[in-house]
Amino acid sequence: AQSVTQLGSHVSVSEGALVLLRCNYSSSVPPYLFWYVQYPNQGLQLLLKYTTGATLVKGINGFEAEFKKSETSFHLTKPSAHMSDAAEYFCAVGEDGQNFVFGPGTRLSVLP
Amino acid sequence: GAVVSQHPSWVICKSGTSVKIECRSLDFQATTMFWYRQFPKQSLMLMATSNEGSKATYEQGVEKDKFLINHASLTLSTLTVTSAHPEDSSFYICSASFLYEQYFGPGTRLTVT
Repeated sequence: AQSVTQLGSHVSVSEGALVLLRCNYSSSVPPYLFWYVQYPNQGLQLLLKYTTGATLVKGINGFEAEFKKSETSFHLTKPSAHMSDAAEYFCAVGEDGQNFVFGPGTRLSVLP
Repeated sequence: GAVVSQHPSWVICKSGTSVKIECRSLDFQATTMFWYRQFPKQSLMLMATSNEGSKATYEQGVEKDKFLINHASLTLSTLTVTSAHPEDSSFYICSASFLYEQYFGPGTRLTVT
């Protein structure tokens, strides 16, 4: 069975500061890992994904994540936060596009 | 590419009535679609997996007679909330599976009064 944990239901950073959102997973098979962003009353937008290959994955809007198998982690980072980054972020683990399991989400606030 | 639409984006209905939500894959064919429910400030919870041409697979605790799912074509799945009650008020999101990913619709806000 797969599961996802996200440490910190709410993270606040100052504009221009580093963003770090944590995600740990468990999976009985090699995981496909995803980060999604959700703005209020909207669906999910894919930020980035890891399937195979390079463990450092770059996504949209300056975000990136690193797959660390030994730590079963897939933390999301962005060097410099922007006000428009304020949103809810979900980490998910999936198997071949099926059986997605979502983490509880982390709400990111960006302070001026 | 890989765009999924939902209609309507929001709906208000009276208790006891039924509401149908459509999920369409606009530029690809999806043999499998998924329906999620999201309560305020919570994560997505999978309700059911919809397979084209066959019966949907419901997650434990989801009433299949209340949440009717039809996946009649490779580009359309519908979710009908029957005899809606205020506790059914939620944000419903669909997704479609394509090339090892799920592509999400924009969601439908259902309010039952």
